[in-house]
Amino acid sequence: ILNVEQSPQSLHVQEGDSTNFTCSFPSSNFYALHWYRWETAKSPEALFVMTLNGDEKKKGRISATLNTKEGYSYLYIKGSQPEDSATYLCASYSGTYKYIFGTGTRLKVLA
Amino acid sequence: NAGVTQTPKFQVLKTGQSMTLQCAQDMNHEYMSWYRQDPGMGLRLIHYSVGAGITDQGEVPNGYNVSRSTTEDFPLRLLSAAPSQTSVYFCASSRLTSGGEETQYFGPGTRLLVL
Repeated sequence: ILNVEQSPQSLHVQEGDSTNFTCSFPSSNFYALHWYRWETAKSPEALFVMTLNGDEKKKGRISATLNTKEGYSYLYIKGSQPEDSATYLCASYSGTYKYIFGTGTRLKVLA
Repeated sequence: NAGVTQTPKFQVLKTGQSMTLQCAQDMNHEYMSWYRQDPGMGLRLIHYSVGAGITDQGEVPNGYNVSRSTTEDFPLRLLSAAPSQTSVYFCASSRLTSGGEETQYFGPGTRLLVL
């Protein structure tokens, strides 16, 4: 079983601050890295799927980068808003049809 | 388009009882999976299926059984419920790919309490 780690576990930021989180995954047998946004009492929703080293993806104020050689991905949120408050999950896929999830970073944006 | 649906939303069981958590999707996805979510543990894969008639074990399969008789449905059976199976269960589906680049769509979850 692969280990996928996310840091920090939780984060409080002020509205308007920019922030970033880290997802670390084993770099061997890497195929894809997924980021999800998970709001309380809802189900995870996909943000990005990244496959190539150096990939950068962007959706509005949220962006992500991928380094497959060293096994990490960063998720950035620019100008955080209260509606960005959620848990952000990453999941690594290394073939064999199994996704391994990290424990998530819980973000709280204070108005 | 309903996406991924799960029933029931909430269930209370007594130790030793059995039950089936239902999951259905209307997106014609080949890949379906079951996860459990426990505090501090993230989502852990229980079982998955790559098509009708094909299932396999994930990270935490003990105490659970699955079958996939149709593309749409992927029920999860608890054979003899134990308090350790108290959790929130999520079903997910996606198109099948060997590269893992397809997005998984999650159902709303089933909250299970085993007394």
